[in-house]
Amino acid sequence: GENVEQHPSTLSVQEGDSAVIKCTYSDSASNYFPWYKQELGKRPQLIIDIRSNVGEKKDQRIAVTLNKTAKHFSLHITETQPEDSAVYFCAASFGGGADGLTFGKGTHLIIQP
Amino acid sequence: GAGVSQTPSNKVTEKGKYVELRCDPISGHTALYWYRQSLGQGPEFLIYFQGTGAADDSGLPNDRFFAVRPEGSVSTLKIQRTERGDSAVYLCASSLRNQETQYFGPGTRLLVL
Repeated sequence: GENVEQHPSTLSVQEGDSAVIKCTYSDSASNYFPWYKQELGKRPQLIIDIRSNVGEKKDQRIAVTLNKTAKHFSLHITETQPEDSAVYFCAASFGGGADGLTFGKGTHLIIQP
Repeated sequence: GAGVSQTPSNKVTEKGKYVELRCDPISGHTALYWYRQSLGQGPEFLIYFQGTGAADDSGLPNDRFFAVRPEGSVSTLKIQRTERGDSAVYLCASSLRNQETQYFGPGTRLLVL
């Protein structure tokens, strides 16, 4: 089955700086890659996603890039703000009836004031 | 509109007991997913329904776990002979169709004593 590795496990950045979180996946058939943000005790919330026919997608301060050849994808957050502090999860799925997401272990992002 | 809801929000039970966890998906969503999240980990896929049928139950850990969705809307996750290792947050998600954005519920926190 699919395996998703996520790094780093903890990331501390100064407010206003950029943050980058990286994930790799094992199954070349995977074609859907969402990123979720989860605050303590809350449900995961989708912040951005990308499909395998696209190399990059941006939504205001958040962007995701995908390298299918290397089987890795990354989340980029620019101009970080205190409310960006949370745990971020990457995930992958390959559809065709196997639509359940395989998640990484998460990155705890800490924004230092 | 109303999001995904789950009941109960918390469940404490004793080892060996039977529990049922309920998920109400977003109205009109045909796909429904169950995940389990242990402390400090990403959600782990359990089972995926497309309509009334389980399209993929490969994530169910053993035969003590079973889920139904008889009318293609509400789903119930059933755990027999609970064990302490079953303690986790059980998350439900729904999507309009397969391989589209999955919206998560708040989860049921299960504690097996």
